Amino acid sequence: QVQLQESGPGLVQPSQTLSLTCTVSGGSISSGTYYWTWIRQPAGKGLEWIGRIYASESTNYNPSTNYNPSLKSRLTISVDTSKSQFSLKLSSVTAADTAVYYCVNNWKGAFDFWGQGTMVTVSS
Amino acid sequence: QSALTQPPSASGSPGQSVTISCTGTSSDVGGYNYVSWYQQHPGKAPKLMIYEVSKRPSGVPDRFSGSKSGNTASLTVSGLQAEDEADYYCSSYAVSSNNVGYVFGTGTKVTVL
Repeated sequence: QVQLQESGPGLVQPSQTLSLTCTVSGGSISSGTYYWTWIRQPAGKGLEWIGRIYASESTNYNPSTNYNPSLKSRLTISVDTSKSQFSLKLSSVTAADTAVYYCVNNWKGAFDFWGQGTMVTVSS
Repeated sequence: QSALTQPPSASGSPGQSVTISCTGTSSDVGGYNYVSWYQQHPGKAPKLMIYEVSKRPSGVPDRFSGSKSGNTASLTVSGLQAEDEADYYCSSYAVSSNNVGYVFGTGTKVTVL
């Protein structure tokens, strides 16, 4: 069974870049079975899809990404297949980016295995 | 990509059924059979309950069922149990203006009376 674990700073200053990493275990990040996704949830609010990345041996590891249009200008998702990790970078953050961030696998149009989530607060 | 519309709340007594709607557009719910549903208890990560409109992952009770008609998807929980009290979110694959991605519903709090 695939397991995911988020890691990164819990506090980010306004206007800086939020950086998170997700470590995948129990399956190959480059098997081609899944897209790897970031989702966030502000306290007391709903879920927001951030974006996803796909990297496969069959595509010579050339990753493809899809981003939420509302975040696209500030967002970069990357993958390091050698470390079985994928990462999120969100620039120019504001208080509105304060949320629990989840890394998840994307399979058959759904989000199957979730990390435990990591709380990121944007504050000076 | 606008959030899918769900009722804020729904409730039922133990043993009863509750149905939650999820309304989108032809660019998401109505256009693709990639609608999924998630259960979230307080302080926990969401759990996949339904995928591809009506399929249940292994381990999800058959009390949970999904369907879709036009731009609206639905989740029905039959034989309500105390542990079903949670927040529920729908999600759909969405395509618009050369953007491919996903959109979530606004969420529904289910209360077991």
